[in-house]
Amino acid sequence: GAGVSQTPSNKVTEKGKYVELRCDPISGHTALYWYRQSLGQGPEFLIYFQGTGAADDSGLPNDRFFAVRPEGSVSTLKIQRTERGDSAVYLCASSLNPTSGGEETQYFGPGTRLLVL
Amino acid sequence: KQEVTQIPAALSVPEGENLVLNCSFTDSAIYNLQWFRQDPGKGLTSLLLIQSSQREQTSGRLNASLDKSSGRSTLYIAASQPGDSATYLCAVENYGGSQGNLIFGKGTKLSVKP
Repeated sequence: GAGVSQTPSNKVTEKGKYVELRCDPISGHTALYWYRQSLGQGPEFLIYFQGTGAADDSGLPNDRFFAVRPEGSVSTLKIQRTERGDSAVYLCASSLNPTSGGEETQYFGPGTRLLVL
Repeated sequence: KQEVTQIPAALSVPEGENLVLNCSFTDSAIYNLQWFRQDPGKGLTSLLLIQSSQREQTSGRLNASLDKSSGRSTLYIAASQPGDSATYLCAVENYGGSQGNLIFGKGTKLSVKP
């Protein structure tokens, strides 16, 4: 079946502009995660949705970053007043139904490469 | 604060060699540890997930071990092939954190030469 998809695959913007990044999770997956990966680093957690609500947004770096998942499926990561330091690959992942047992595998999309000039 | 370290940062081996990638973590209170593979320009593919109560997991030529008390995991790749060339990332999911908040190492970039 279809995996996690992300659009656009690449985004170039100018400093100060607003951008939206989209994630389509695997159908039926209740959990959705956003991560950010800078060059030469591992992914860093940004936010986790369970259904429509943000269960944990502790990884969002500041209030310029915001994410929504209004219908519990597609999610949009929004970045206001972009800065050069926001340049990174933004990864989305989904999982079926996280439990407290730590058994869930996350399925990752290919990422959106954001370059802020 | 949980920190995950991977050694070496890069590794180059000839085809056919067996190899070991290392991962260490500072806080042993984890739900699980996962190994992922990342190919250039692509997302992450989960290879193996070891729950905290388990000692190892195997999939084909891959074997991952977990020693939670010492904060270490190894990924063993047998009979390496050029197609194994990729970056390998390990990640832990902490107790007390939200579900699925994975903490990653920086990865080991593996190159298998034909």
